[in-house]
Parts: sequence; C-alpha cells; structure tokens
Amino acid sequence: DAGVTQSPTHLIKTRGQQVTLRCSPKSGHDTVSWYQQALGQGPQFIFQYYEEEERQRGNFPDRFSGHQFPNYSSELNVNALLLGDSALYLCASSLEVTAGNEQFFGPGTRLTVL
Amino acid sequence: GQNIDQPTEMTATEGAIVQINCTYQTSGFNGLFWYQQHAGEAPTFLSYNVLDGLEEKGRFSSFLSRSKGYSYLLLKELQMKDSASYLCAVRDRSGQAGTALIFGKGTTLSVSS
Repeated sequence: DAGVTQSPTHLIKTRGQQVTLRCSPKSGHDTVSWYQQALGQGPQFIFQYYEEEERQRGNFPDRFSGHQFPNYSSELNVNALLLGDSALYLCASSLEVTAGNEQFFGPGTRLTVL
Repeated sequence: GQNIDQPTEMTATEGAIVQINCTYQTSGFNGLFWYQQHAGEAPTFLSYNVLDGLEEKGRFSSFLSRSKGYSYLLLKELQMKDSASYLCAVRDRSGQAGTALIFGKGTTLSVSS
C-alpha cells in the first residue's frame, strides 16, 4: 500500500518564476492538504482540497493556487516566486469519513528560491 | 484567533521519561494531534485526542484538557531514536468545513546516553 508521494524531491528556482508541485494521496484517501514548513518552524496550512474543490484556505496570498484531479491527486502552484517562498512543501492526505481524519504526510518537496 | 505554544527545546537521557506540554487557543476546537518529525523527514502521526483524558499507545501517551486548552505528550523509556521534533497540532472547525491542522512551532527533543 503506497503512502503519500510527492514530486519532485528538490527544486531550485529564481525569483519571479513559477513552480508546480505534485502529490499523490495514500490509497483510498480523498482529501489533500498542503502545508509550508520553513526551517525550524511547524508546518503552516496553505489549503485543502476535497471533491476537486478548495474548501479551506489558510493565510496565503493568491500567488498560491492548487488543483485536485478526479483520481484525488493534487498540484500546488506558486507564481511570482519570492525568496521567502523557500521552504519544505508538505502534502498530507486523509479520508473524509474517518472520525479522526488523521492526516498522513508525504516526504515533501524542498523548494529553494534564489 | 488561533495560538499554539510549546517549548522550543528539551533534553533528556536514555531510559528517562519526558513530558512535552502544549497550550492552545482556538475558537472551534475539533481535536488535537501529536506528530513526530525527524530532521529532513515528513511528520509521522503519534496520537489524537478529542475528548478529555489520557490516550496510551505503547511508550507514548497523550493527555487533553479542553477546559484548560492544554495537552501533553508523555514519552517513556526514552531511546536515542526518539531525538526528533514533536509537533502539537489543533484542528479548528470554526467557520470552515475543512479539517486543516494548525501546528505549533515544534519541540526539539534531544536524547543523550
């Protein structure tokens, strides 16, 4: 049973560029959440997708957008990259109907903006 | 607003017991989670509390008091491999339908021999 997978593992971009990160949820999961984790900090919630719609959003600018596909996989897009966007981007999946809605995290994508 | 506080760092020795505290303020509490994160890796789930009381799972236990906005993670019989960051996270359902987790900054635990 595959867990949450993310691609790419590492990415280097320059300021002003655009980036797309990808996530495949754990088998059987239907909800995908994205988090940004700066060095030495806890993960910060970006947004959550369920039934191909963004249903909850954290305090991130519109430069951050996403998508969920019919197979429940998801993409995170960031436009006009800033140096401050350098971070570990974590994808987490869960199953909506389970009582605890425990979220399983992928290994993350390390984004460096130069 | 939402606020989660936990100590930045803690140290302990092998075989000892350590308690990591977490206090939170949220308007729509809907569960508290503890995650373990080793350096350079993804967070892994440790425990979930939604009702008051103690949840025990092997060497790890987690306690919740909703009236006090307080939780702790108790680690017994510490091992070197327990050296990691421990993240307290609250699920806040106020005003939105999602299940986002709001994380604290994490507590870095160092276990020495």
